[in-house]
Amino acid sequence: GENVEQHPSTLSVQEGDSAVIKCTYSDSASNYFPWYKQELGKRPQLIIDIRSNVGEKKDQRIAVTLNKTAKHFSLHITETQPEDSAVYFCAASRGRDYKLSFGAGTTVTVRA
Amino acid sequence: DTGVSQDPRHKITKRGQNVTFRCDPISEHNRLYWYRQTLGQGPEFLTYFQNEAQLEKSRLLSDRFSAERPKGSFSTLEIQRTEQGDSAMYLCATRLDGDTQYFGPGTRLTVL
Repeated sequence: GENVEQHPSTLSVQEGDSAVIKCTYSDSASNYFPWYKQELGKRPQLIIDIRSNVGEKKDQRIAVTLNKTAKHFSLHITETQPEDSAVYFCAASRGRDYKLSFGAGTTVTVRA
Repeated sequence: DTGVSQDPRHKITKRGQNVTFRCDPISEHNRLYWYRQTLGQGPEFLTYFQNEAQLEKSRLLSDRFSAERPKGSFSTLEIQRTEQGDSAMYLCATRLDGDTQYFGPGTRLTVL
């Protein structure tokens, strides 16, 4: 089955700096890669996703890049703000009728 | 609130007791997933329904676990003879036709 590894497990950044989280996956058939943000005690919420036919996608301060050959994808958050503090999970899937396989999560702390 | 809802939000039970959780999907979402999340980990897939049909079950889903979606709307997850290792957050996610899975707030189970 799919194995998703996520690094780092914790990340502390100064407000205004950038944060980068990296994930690798094992199943070459995976073609959908979402990122979820989970605040303490709350449900995971999708913040951005990318399909395998696209190398990069951006939404305001958040961007995701995908390298299919190397089987890794990354989340980039620019101009971090205190409200960006949360646990971020990457995931991979073979497609819409398949389960999501999640990484172990990255706890991001933005220092004011 | 038109999002995915789960009930109860918290459940404390004694080892050996049976528990049942409920998930109500977003209206018209015909695909429903159950995941389990332990502290410090990403959600792990348990089972997947398309309408009332259970299409996939994880090997994590032992014979003590059973899930149903009798009318293709709400779903229930039952755990029989609970064990301390069953303590976790049980998350439900639903989807319509696109890729995005929308998560509920989860049911936190504590087995004493």
